Amino acid sequence: AQSVTQPDIHITVSEGASLELRCNYSYGATPYLFWYVQSPGQGLQLLLKYFSGDTLVQGIKGFEAEFKRSQSSFNLRKPSVHWSDAAEYFCAVGEYTGGFKTIFGAGTRLFVKA
Amino acid sequence: EAGVVQSPRYKIIEKKQPVAFWCNPISGHNTLYWYRQNLGQGPELLIRYENEEAVDDSQLPKDRFSAERLKGVDSTLKIQPAELGDSAVYLCASSRGLARTDTQYFGPGTRLTVL
Repeated sequence: AQSVTQPDIHITVSEGASLELRCNYSYGATPYLFWYVQSPGQGLQLLLKYFSGDTLVQGIKGFEAEFKRSQSSFNLRKPSVHWSDAAEYFCAVGEYTGGFKTIFGAGTRLFVKA
Repeated sequence: EAGVVQSPRYKIIEKKQPVAFWCNPISGHNTLYWYRQNLGQGPELLIRYENEEAVDDSQLPKDRFSAERLKGVDSTLKIQPAELGDSAVYLCASSRGLARTDTQYFGPGTRLTVL
């Protein structure tokens, strides 16, 4: 079965500093990978997705992620964090079994300090 | 375009009581999902609809949970009777279809507290 691991439960970065959130997946074939963000009291919003092709994926809000097959990783990055980026971030892997099913990691909560 | 609408946003009930959640997906979206998100966890799929048909309900605890999607639009998720362990956020999402390229759009969720 597919699974997603986000090793960091929470991360604190200073505003303006760079950010990297880690994600490791377990999947036998080429995975479909996603990053979502969830602000307090809000639903999940898709930041970016990887299906195939270029392993560096650009998303919304200045985020990017890099797919590394050799490391089974799909880490999320942002060069300069803003206070509004404080939220919960979920990595997810999709599988296609007669319909698309998404499996989420446990999430990483990002705190931004002034 | 309006997003996925869920109501109520919050619900507090005592154990053994029934509870129902309502979801209105984005117009034109054929696929509807219900997820449960426990505290400190990612969402877990409960049931997935393609129009009126439940195409994946393998994770739905059928002894106490039920769901319906009449006319392939709005959906209701019910728990009867509720247990303490059902306290969670229940998220509804919709997408145009079941293709991998169809983005899921999530509603704000209903936070259920069972006392």
